[in-house]
Amino acid sequence: NAGVTQTPKFQVLKTGQSMTLQCAQDMNHNSMYWYRQDPGMGLRLIYYSASEGTTDKGEVPNGYNVSRLNKREFSLRLESAAPSQTSVYFCASRGQGSVGNQPQHFGDGTRLSIL
Amino acid sequence: AQSVAQPEDQVNVAEGNPLTVKCTYSVSGNPYLFWYVQYPNRGLQFLLKYITGDNLVKGSYGFEAEFNKSQTSFHLKKPSALVSDSALYFCAVRVGTNAGKSTFGDGTTLTVKP
Repeated sequence: NAGVTQTPKFQVLKTGQSMTLQCAQDMNHNSMYWYRQDPGMGLRLIYYSASEGTTDKGEVPNGYNVSRLNKREFSLRLESAAPSQTSVYFCASRGQGSVGNQPQHFGDGTRLSIL
Repeated sequence: AQSVAQPEDQVNVAEGNPLTVKCTYSVSGNPYLFWYVQYPNRGLQFLLKYITGDNLVKGSYGFEAEFNKSQTSFHLKKPSALVSDSALYFCAVRVGTNAGKSTFGDGTTLTVKP
C-alpha cells in the first residue's frame, strides 16, 4: 500500500523561486494536512483541507498557498521562496471515522533548502 | 486553544529497562490523544491513541500509554526497551470536530543503549 506519497523528496531552490510540493493519498481520506518540521519546534500546521473543495489556514500559513485538486491530491505552493522556508515538509491525511478519533497518516517528507 | 508539552528533549535508557516518555496537555473539552514515532528520514507513524474508556491504552511494538485526567497527562511507556526503539516520539492532542486540527508536542528523542 502506497499510503501518502510526496514528491519531490529533496529540492534546492534559490531565494525568490517558486515551487509546488505534491501530495497524494490512496486511502480515500477526507482530510489532508501540510506541516513543516524544524529542529526543536515539532510539527507546525501550515494549511489543511477538511474535505474536497475546502481549505483553511493553520498556524503558519504566510508565504504558502494550497490547492485541494481532488479527494486524493493536496498541493503546497511557495510563490517566492525565502531562506526561512528551509524545512522538512510533511503531508498527512486522515479518514472520517467517528468524530476526531482517527490518527493521521504521514508521507515521508520533502526536504527543502532555500539558498 | 489546545497545547501539548513534552518536557524532556531527550530520554536515555538502557536496553531491557522500562522507559517513559512524558506528555502533558491542555484543552477545553474532552481530548483525543495520540502518540507517533518518527525514524530518521521518515514520516511520523501512529503508535496508539486514547479516545475514551480504559485509561491504559496499548499500541504497536509493545508500547502503552496511561491517560490521567486529573494530571492532564498521557505518558508513553514500555516495560522493556529495545535498541530499535531509539527514535523521535511525538505526542498530539485534538478536540472535537472531524475536521479538527491536531497540536503536536516538540518531540522527545529516545535513545536506548545496549
